[in-house]
Amino acid sequence: SAVISQKPSRDICQRGTSLTIQCQVDSQVTMMFWYRQQPGQSLTLIATANQGSEATYESGFVIDKFPISRPNLTFSTLTVSNMSPEDSSIYLCSVVIPYEQYFGPGTRLTVT
Amino acid sequence: QQQVKQSPQSLIVQKGGISIINCAYENTAFDYFPWYQQFPGKGPALLIAIRPDVSEKKEGRFTISFNKSAKQFSLHIMDSQPGDSATYFCAASKSGNQFYFGTGTSLTVIP
Repeated sequence: SAVISQKPSRDICQRGTSLTIQCQVDSQVTMMFWYRQQPGQSLTLIATANQGSEATYESGFVIDKFPISRPNLTFSTLTVSNMSPEDSSIYLCSVVIPYEQYFGPGTRLTVT
Repeated sequence: QQQVKQSPQSLIVQKGGISIINCAYENTAFDYFPWYQQFPGKGPALLIAIRPDVSEKKEGRFTISFNKSAKQFSLHIMDSQPGDSATYFCAASKSGNQFYFGTGTSLTVIP
């Protein structure tokens, strides 16, 4: 199993600024994912961040807007850059130990 | 294109009743079908999962029924309780690496 923590748990940010979300896992994992979840909606995959390789972004998400770091097997960051109100959402970090997917508690971001 | 289709979007059940949530998929390469439960302010948590070589899996009050020929699977919650009120997501995975999620079902169990 894996226990995931995220920081911050929530934040209110002004338009045009950037926020970096941290994800810490209690064990070494290769596969890590970042998701976005609008309130009451499903999970949308932003990118896959495997250690030792560049992050792979899903259609509609670009590195300039959502840069990701994965410095080691237990940590990753997602930055939401040049924020607009449309970026208001819950951002979830997730890891996969094959056939088992675990999620962090999420970061609730509000952009004003 | 939605890889996994889930219905209903919302469900209201009386305490003690049976909650049923349905999912359908197209990709026959999927080999793992989990269900996740998400409470407000929390991340999704694995509830129960099934592989396509069995037609049913039961864990306590939660049962997955799997119909390989119809490419459908469903979650049954027996004796539903108010504490079961949450959002439920079905998912499908190929090789256990990347997961495709349904759109979610908001379940409310009325006391």
